[in-house]
Amino acid sequence: AQSVTQPDIHITVSEGASLELRCNYSYGATPYLFWYVQSPGQGLQLLLKYFSGDTLVQGIKGFEAEFKRSQSSFNLRKPSVHWSDAAEYFCAVRSGNTGKLIFGQGTTLQVKP
Amino acid sequence: EAGVAQSPRYKIIEKRQSVAFWCNPISGHATLYWYQQILGQGPKLLIQFQNNGVVDDSQLPKDRFSAERLKGVDSTLKIQPAKLEDSAVYLCASSFPRVISGRTSTDTQYFGPGTRLTVL
Repeated sequence: AQSVTQPDIHITVSEGASLELRCNYSYGATPYLFWYVQSPGQGLQLLLKYFSGDTLVQGIKGFEAEFKRSQSSFNLRKPSVHWSDAAEYFCAVRSGNTGKLIFGQGTTLQVKP
Repeated sequence: EAGVAQSPRYKIIEKRQSVAFWCNPISGHATLYWYQQILGQGPKLLIQFQNNGVVDDSQLPKDRFSAERLKGVDSTLKIQPAKLEDSAVYLCASSFPRVISGRTSTDTQYFGPGTRLTVL
């Protein structure tokens, strides 16, 4: 069955430090992968997506993610975190031909001043 | 370009009452999704429409939940009667189908702000 695992439920980093959020997926074919961010009381905003081609994808707000087929991973990175990045981050894989998204349980990012 | 609109933003009801949520997708988006997000979890698909037809409702608790998209644009999701475990954020998303490698495939999903339901 298709699934997404985000191993870290909660991460705290200092402002200016680098960030990596982990995502592992289970999917039989070539996956379409997404990272979304959700601020309190807000809907989900797309950060970046991977469909094919270059395995390093750039997104909005300075985020990037790298698709590694051998590790079934799609980790999200940012070189220098800002206080405004504090939010919940969701990794998702698109399922089959219907296009529905299967989400991980999310990682809550806290940024220390 | 206007985003996905949802109303109400918040709703508090007592168990066994009924409630309805409304969603207006981005103009031109043929595919509409309703997700349920329970606190501490990722969103889970309840139902997916392509125009006014249902594509996937396998996770919809059909004994109490119903949804419609009669004219292929706006959609409503109803719960009747509500249970305590229905407390969640209900997210609506829409996408524009596009062709990839000769096959029609749905594109990126854009989400509305959600409706936070509390059942007491």
